[in-house]
Amino acid sequence: DADVTQTPRNRITKTGKRIMLECSQTKGHDRMYWYRQDPGLGLRLIYYSFDVKDINKGEISDGYSVSRQAQAKFSLSLESAIPNQTALYFCATSDKSDTQYFGPGTRLTVL
Amino acid sequence: AQSVTQPDIHITVSEGASLELRCNYSYGATPYLFWYVQSPGQGLQLLLKYFSGDTLVQGIKGFEAEFKRSQSSFNLRKPSVHWSDAAEYFCAVGAGDDKIIFGKGTRLHILP
Repeated sequence: DADVTQTPRNRITKTGKRIMLECSQTKGHDRMYWYRQDPGLGLRLIYYSFDVKDINKGEISDGYSVSRQAQAKFSLSLESAIPNQTALYFCATSDKSDTQYFGPGTRLTVL
Repeated sequence: AQSVTQPDIHITVSEGASLELRCNYSYGATPYLFWYVQSPGQGLQLLLKYFSGDTLVQGIKGFEAEFKRSQSSFNLRKPSVHWSDAAEYFCAVGAGDDKIIFGKGTRLHILP
């Protein structure tokens, strides 16, 4: 079984809809991250969490929110989706060495 | 603030040829350095990492990278590429504050 899982893997939605992307991990790591990937821009950090009571904004948090329901679960929400949020979204966890372990990604399309 | 530059957006090499992907970083102290690979439709997989010690680091799939402090570089190399190495490669730098910064990636194409 994969250590970091993301659901859904693909999602098409309409402008203005609320959508939630979910991430679960079995690695036992405290640190979890959400990134978005756009062609030519690499990965950009949206939010990160060091434990269930610690949530931090990354470089592109506007338009997004997160919830850390448990050590193993970290959800990303788009309250009102817009077309420029169309991207590939990755969840990751990290150990104390800063090594990050990525989920398979969620491809989100906002029409 | 730390940053990472991958000067080459695309690289094309012939199967069996050697490969070097460039990475330059900006950081005041000794950084943590990483190379990740992303195959089409997949997430990112760690190839190798450098924290301290020997500046030549061996990774998975026959890759290696060399940390050169004087040049602020961490270039990735492979002596002989295989068609399955076609992917996008990301260099990343960490400052020990539990976040890492990724470069924009280099897409590797392999000619048969």
